[in-house]
Amino acid sequence: TQLLEQSPQFLSIQEGENLTVYCNSSSVFSSLQWYRQEPGEGPVLLVTVVTGGEVKKLKRLTFQFGDARKDSSLHITAAQPGDTGLYLCAGAAGANNLFFGTGTRLTVIP
Amino acid sequence: NAGVMQNPRHLVRRRGQEARLRCSPMKGHSHVYWYRQLPEEGLKFMVYLQKENIIDESGMPKERFSAEFPKEGPSILRIQQVVRGDSAAYFCASSQSQASGRGTYNEQFFGPGTRLTVL
Repeated sequence: TQLLEQSPQFLSIQEGENLTVYCNSSSVFSSLQWYRQEPGEGPVLLVTVVTGGEVKKLKRLTFQFGDARKDSSLHITAAQPGDTGLYLCAGAAGANNLFFGTGTRLTVIP
Repeated sequence: NAGVMQNPRHLVRRRGQEARLRCSPMKGHSHVYWYRQLPEEGLKFMVYLQKENIIDESGMPKERFSAEFPKEGPSILRIQQVVRGDSAAYFCASSQSQASGRGTYNEQFFGPGTRLTVL
């Protein structure tokens, strides 16, 4: 079983602050995906990173894939209440299933 | 362009009954995955199917659970003789293979889930 650990598990910040969420594993992944899940809904894909060292930006969100393809980070600049949700990283070891991280529950206080 | 569709969204069953969960993948996607999310736990892979074939069922319980993805129609996850421990959210995802410099990878898009409650 390939384990993905996310930290922190819970994060509560004020609107306008910056934050970083980490996703770490001892396993190498062929790709890594970040999702956001709202209560009662399915995960929504935010980004896929494939190449070691890759950095992708999505408006105020910056995603990085580690050089060894074992870890990833999500940085949010100037967080807004609409960013509140459960952030999940998921690693793929090929063309099959995803291994999901433990999740980071973010609350942005207005 | 509709996303992944799942129905029903909520399903209530009594112990011993059967539960059938349906999933229609995104248009053009030929790969379907089922995941289970237990209360306060992460998503766990159950099974990966392509049309008429089960590719990987390593996460599927050995008894009472089965899945299919027929040539026509949606993918079905079937749970026979449900027990209280089967209560969970069941998510379906679909993908199409994409090539990269390191081979192929599958970007998975999830449906809204079916919340199964076993009384």
